[in-house]
This record gives sequence, structure tokens and C-alpha cells, in this order.
Amino acid sequence: QMQLVQSGPEVKKPGTSVKVSCKASGFTFTSSAVQWVRQARGQRLEWIGWIVVGSGNTNYAQKFQERVTITRDMSTSTAYMELSSLRSEDTAVYYCAANPRCSGGSCYADYWGQGTLVTVSS
Amino acid sequence: DIQMTQSPSSLSASVGDRVTITCRASQGISNSLAWYQQKPGKAPKLLLYAASRLESGVPSRFSGSGSGTDYTLTISSLQPEDFATYYCQQYYSTPPLTFGGGTKVEIK
Repeated sequence: QMQLVQSGPEVKKPGTSVKVSCKASGFTFTSSAVQWVRQARGQRLEWIGWIVVGSGNTNYAQKFQERVTITRDMSTSTAYMELSSLRSEDTAVYYCAANPRCSGGSCYADYWGQGTLVTVSS
Repeated sequence: DIQMTQSPSSLSASVGDRVTITCRASQGISNSLAWYQQKPGKAPKLLLYAASRLESGVPSRFSGSGSGTDYTLTISSLQPEDFATYYCQQYYSTPPLTFGGGTKVEIK
């Protein structure tokens, strides 16, 4: 069964960083692309960036360019999204989503993680 | 950036109704469009990709059409489990892979 399992909820103070993990199983992680998307309460889906797992190539939305880093560990089939300089507006549910057949990055997402709530509060 | 304008933002419909949701891109996206369904507290679920290709396991009452800049998601006969929010996403040009604003389908 193909699935993505994300790390648990986080509470962070403004100005700090958060790193969310996304462990893949049931498909060939190395031939996939993983995108990260967030959703504030009651708001639309907002695309953050993607990583092509095999090459490690990344692509970020300009809004997050200076603050986000997406990485992967092929030995554990895990992708990571780290967001720095957190502010209250970053409070949202963060999702990873993968396409197992995507080698170019610019793809739709077949499979989604369950979401990780990140709360930024002083 | 390619902007995706989805309409309507919400609609009320009854079980058995035919429902149509539209997504318009700010430039041509060559059918590189996906539709997702999201229920409260859950992750989005892929319904269609390449504008009209049904994802495995998705009921055939869902269909997609369109070309160039204009795309449509149609539910031929709305079922109780279809009440949800629907999003389009273009994957033609990155960054970013833009989402539409969402359409909430509610019970009339």
C-alpha cells in the first residue's frame, strides 16, 4: 500500500525553525517527486515547493525562497521540509504529496501525507 | 506565475444534481491540470489529472474537460459523499504549481 506518513504536530516560537518529515512506503521513492503544500485554517491550498528525489533538484515558490529548504534521505525514503524565521502567519497544516512516476518535478500529486499542524505562537 | 481562477467559490446542490466547476488559467497550460477533492480535516485526494484522466478508483460520475486556459470538473449525479471542497492545480509551469481558490460544494 502506497502511503506517506508525516511527523507529528509542532508548536514553535516566532523566529525559530521547524522541520517536518514525510516517510514514503509502498512505491519506488527514488523515481518520485515530492511536493509540499500548506493550508491555513479555512484557507486555500498553497504550494511551497518540490524535490525530485533521484536528482535532489528542488524548486521553491518565490514567497518561500529565502526561508524554505526541502531535502530527502533516500536511505530511509524520507523527505523533509524545513521552514525558518517562523511567524504567526506560518501557522498551518503542512502536507507532503508525491507522484511515484515523476522525474521532472512539475507533476500532480497522487498520494498525500496526513498533514502536520505547525503552530507558531509566542 | 500562472494564476488559477476557480468558480464558483461555493455552491449549494442536491443529491442527484449535475454540478460543474470551472478553472481558468492566466495562460495556456496544455491540459496540465489536476483536480482534487478535500473533506474537512483530511488531505486532498486526486480525482483527475491531465485535465480529463480519471485517477484509479475514482467513480465515473466525475469527469473533466477543457483545453488552453479553460477547464471544467463535472459531477454527473451528486452523491452524499461528494460534499466537499474541490481544487484545481496547474502543473504546466513551475514555480509555483498553482492551486485554484477552491469550490465548496454544500448540501441544498
